[in-house]
Amino acid sequence: RKEVEQDPGPFNVPEGATVAFNCTYSNSASQSFFWYRQDCRKEPKLLMSVYSSGNEDGRFTAQLNRASQYISLLIRDSKLSDSATYLCVVNPGGTQFYFGTGTSLTVIP
Amino acid sequence: DAGITQSPRYKITETGRQVTLMCHQTWSHSYMFWYRQDLGHGLRLIYYSAAADITDKGEVPDGYVVSRSKTENFPLTLESATRSQTSVYFCASRTPSSYNEQFFGPGTRLTVL
Repeated sequence: RKEVEQDPGPFNVPEGATVAFNCTYSNSASQSFFWYRQDCRKEPKLLMSVYSSGNEDGRFTAQLNRASQYISLLIRDSKLSDSATYLCVVNPGGTQFYFGTGTSLTVIP
Repeated sequence: DAGITQSPRYKITETGRQVTLMCHQTWSHSYMFWYRQDLGHGLRLIYYSAAADITDKGEVPDGYVVSRSKTENFPLTLESATRSQTSVYFCASRTPSSYNEQFFGPGTRLTVL
């Protein structure tokens, strides 16, 4: 079983829409969680960390559900510039971070 | 400029050749990582280093060698390149805390013919 699993999409949504991605992780002892954004042919960059209580950064909201072992990312009022691949990242403890395969989002004018 | 750089950005080589990918960071981060990214697999860890002269295997280390004689440099060598090593390679660094983000270099696109 993979450490981190994501729906690859693609998600094609109109501008202004709300879209949500989920990601499941296999190690219940996982300690830290992140969402990274990766633009086409570019390096991944941190979008936001995911805290136990949930956190919001502008139009982006991240949630953690430890009981069901998933994290989510909600994007409100989608912009064209939000088009990218979103990577779920989990640290089960220790040095290694595990990356999901990514969910592709295209925001359509 | 401060940051993390990789060279070369693009490389084409032939099966059996030795190839070295370079990674340099200016933040003095103790941890450095090498990943490869392939369709359907996401980013997979090849090797990492906790400090100079300390390296350890990741998820897919076979066919690769690393060294870290200086904190700022972390080269990755493919001793005898194979076609299955055609990939995009990303170097990353971070501070020791698990809650800190990883900073990635721009990547090296390697094609093995």
